Amino acid sequence: NAGVMQNPRHLVRRRGQEARLRCSPMKGHSHVYWYRQLPEEGLKFMVYLQKENIIDESGMPKERFSAEFPKEGPSILRIQQVVRGDSAAYFCASSQMMSTDTQYFGPGTRLTVL
Amino acid sequence: DAKTTQPPSMDCAEGRAANLPCNHSTISGNEYVYWYRQIHSQGPQYIIHGLKNNETNEMASLIITEDRKSSTLILPHATLRDTAVYYCIVSSLQGAQKLVFGQGTRLTINP
Repeated sequence: NAGVMQNPRHLVRRRGQEARLRCSPMKGHSHVYWYRQLPEEGLKFMVYLQKENIIDESGMPKERFSAEFPKEGPSILRIQQVVRGDSAAYFCASSQMMSTDTQYFGPGTRLTVL
Repeated sequence: DAKTTQPPSMDCAEGRAANLPCNHSTISGNEYVYWYRQIHSQGPQYIIHGLKNNETNEMASLIITEDRKSSTLILPHATLRDTAVYYCIVSSLQGAQKLVFGQGTRLTINP
């Protein structure tokens, strides 16, 4: 059973470009979470999605960041007009159900903004 | 979600048991204790979780005090590959289960 998959693993963008990060949850999982880890800091929750629904986006920056989890295909975290401060590791996790189910994390996407 | 307190760092000799403490004195009745670890810059790895009773799996044991205000993660025979940052997280049963990561404990296993 494949784990959570994220791609790309490394992404380099210049300031002002767009970054798209993809996350495929584990098979049978319908809940996706995105976290960000800035250099030398802990992981911070960004957004929680179910298929076609954003459940909790309390950790998302108000501008330039958006997330979706369509009926078909992976979840996408989109960052428009990237700035150097967006350089970080972005981790996706998935769980089977909302209640007590464990979140399993992917390997992360390391975004570098030049 | 309740806040947790962990020592910033610990050392343990290879082959010995590593005991990682966590305080969560404000934990409420519907909150679970989760442990994750992050090896170098990899994605966090789930270790174990529990509500009231002690738990054991192939990776570790979790001992939760009777008042639930603290817990200990035990790695019975630590290896060099167990060197990582270990996070103790308290998470509610209800609602969006966003995990709140603190600074964790940086565990170093020494040969």
